[in-house]
Amino acid sequence: DADVTQTPRNRITKTGKRIMLECSQTKGHDRMYWYRQDPGLGLRLIYYSFDVKDINKGEISDGYSVSRQAQAKFSLSLESAIPNQTALYFCATSDFSERGTDTQYFGPGTRLTVL
Amino acid sequence: LAKTTQPISMDSYEGQEVNITCSHNNIATNDYITWYQQFPSQGPRFIIQGYKTKVTNEVASLFIPADRKSSTLSLPRVSLSDTAVYYCLVGVGSARQLTFGSGTQLTVLP
Repeated sequence: DADVTQTPRNRITKTGKRIMLECSQTKGHDRMYWYRQDPGLGLRLIYYSFDVKDINKGEISDGYSVSRQAQAKFSLSLESAIPNQTALYFCATSDFSERGTDTQYFGPGTRLTVL
Repeated sequence: LAKTTQPISMDSYEGQEVNITCSHNNIATNDYITWYQQFPSQGPRFIIQGYKTKVTNEVASLFIPADRKSSTLSLPRVSLSDTAVYYCLVGVGSARQLTFGSGTQLTVLP
């Protein structure tokens, strides 16, 4: 979805390096998420944010941190990258409706390789 | 947490109707059921969402029985381009809806 952009799209880094993945959205959604996906597996939630002042850990937050700089921007950092963080990373946004539904819109993904 | 169970994989032929069933025995009263489609190296894409009975849009139908403990995604007359992984999610605007299982790999054969 072009309304959700991720940079970079591909990144190769070395063990121990700090790296930041950025996500921007023009959909005007309050909610944003970071997921990782390993080959042949489903998506696992790293962090999520329901508004600028709200940050929550997902199921696999160890080794990651996030920053919600604005409603439209949500960054994921790997403080000291390790090889098992090699994965495809997705950012998503969602619109929470009054009736209680929540549909997510995903970015194109960032393929990260840690050597 | 509303856990879902789907078949790991399914094969079909072009032009056939495909039905993928998801079990969600502990669905809560307020939970909606949402299906996403994912192509390789792309983010999941919303397909359809429902609460009960039947929902239809331009790409799929969603059938939900009265007890809501399962749901069936129906894809009419599939084509090769429908080959993808399909995820069923259950929840309502909370972290409960944010858990993607392994999904169902649908392969459409010529």
